[in-house]
Amino acid sequence: DQQVKQNSPSLSVQEGRISILNCDYTNSMFDYFLWYKKYPAEGPTFLISISSIKDKNEDGRFTVFLNKSAKHLSLHIVPSQPGDSAVYFCAARGSYGKLTFGQGTILTVHP
Amino acid sequence: DVKVTQSSRYLVKRTGEKVFLECVQDMDHENMFWYRQDPGLGLRLIYFSYDVKMKEKGDIPEGYSVSREKKERFSLILESASTNQTSMYLCASSLSTTGGYNEQFFGPGTRLTVL
Repeated sequence: DQQVKQNSPSLSVQEGRISILNCDYTNSMFDYFLWYKKYPAEGPTFLISISSIKDKNEDGRFTVFLNKSAKHLSLHIVPSQPGDSAVYFCAARGSYGKLTFGQGTILTVHP
Repeated sequence: DVKVTQSSRYLVKRTGEKVFLECVQDMDHENMFWYRQDPGLGLRLIYFSYDVKMKEKGDIPEGYSVSREKKERFSLILESASTNQTSMYLCASSLSTTGGYNEQFFGPGTRLTVL
């Protein structure tokens, strides 16, 4: 039972345009949602988080939106840069601080 | 600078062998985690630990055990490796949660192949 889902395995975007990565979840008890970024041959690195009591959090080019009624979150990257090309994982925090990850979306930003 | 290190980047073992994956963090974090990453499945939690000598099962603990004798070190053990345990294994650590979100810091991963 996949509690956190990223339905798009890949996304291709032109440099300078907006990248929108999506994530759906089923467990309404999750209290934090976050995005991690992973380059090949490296471990994931934390990108941005949002509390379940908020609907938006912004950090530079990265903005995360949370729609609790739809159980949906999204990551917007504006403007996209070639260095943003990586695998992006959304994750949700549940009981005992455990993280549940989505399957990942491969983002490719073309120059 | 925070650091999580894993003993091997690549490992090849034979079916039935006992395998030890070691993870060390230098951030004095209380929490440590072991995940495996497989294509199309994302990261799945195997075991985690909130303190020395404490361990909790994650979502897929079958076929694995762990050991945490010191705060900085968390070992993942495959008692009898099988081919379906071929995967990328990732270790992570974080501070205890006291409110807010405490980032999990990941090691570079160990690519384990079981033949």
